[in-house]
Amino acid sequence: QKEVEQNSGPLSVPEGAIASLNCTYSDRVSQSFFWYRQYSGKSPELIMSIYSNGDKEDGRFTAQLNKASQYVSLLIRDSQPSDSATYLCALPRGPGGYQKVTFGIGTKLQVIP
Amino acid sequence: SQTIHQWPATLVQPVGSPLSLECTVEGTSNPNLYWYRQAAGRGLQLLFYSVGIGQISSEVPQNLSASRPQDRQFILSSKKLLLSDSGFYLCAWRPQGYEQYFGPGTRLTVT
Repeated sequence: QKEVEQNSGPLSVPEGAIASLNCTYSDRVSQSFFWYRQYSGKSPELIMSIYSNGDKEDGRFTAQLNKASQYVSLLIRDSQPSDSATYLCALPRGPGGYQKVTFGIGTKLQVIP
Repeated sequence: SQTIHQWPATLVQPVGSPLSLECTVEGTSNPNLYWYRQAAGRGLQLLFYSVGIGQISSEVPQNLSASRPQDRQFILSSKKLLLSDSGFYLCAWRPQGYEQYFGPGTRLTVT
């Protein structure tokens, strides 16, 4: 099993709808999770970090973590065409203070006007 | 505030030629630094990371090497490029927490 798994998509949603992006992970001891947004041809940008079970909201974005199910998701409310990008799930790994981060392959989101 | 720079932004090199990509970070000291490669349609592959000057850890064996001659400078090199070295090269740095922040990247095409 891969450390971080995401459906590559594309996920197509109409403008104004809720986009739901999902990620599962294999390491039961993982404590931190990140969501990055990557526009085509650009570098990834950190948009959300979540450290504890439950929901974390930031504007139109909500990250949800369920450690028992080893599942983390990102909800985007009122989706806009400018949200069209690839969303990468990531978590720190490795000994020595989690020096490294494992990234999922990313889910491509298309918001249709 | 902290800023991360990479250059060049784009590069086209013939097979067998050398490579040198540079990454510098401003506004911080002793950062953890990382080199990633993202091939077309693929995920991020960690190539090297460094926790300090002269300290380099390699993730995958290949014809690339990395060096950290100064605290805030990280260099990715190759003596002879292969076609398979084409991709988007990203430098990242890590401040206090676990999150990593990326530079703008260098798009390398090997012809």
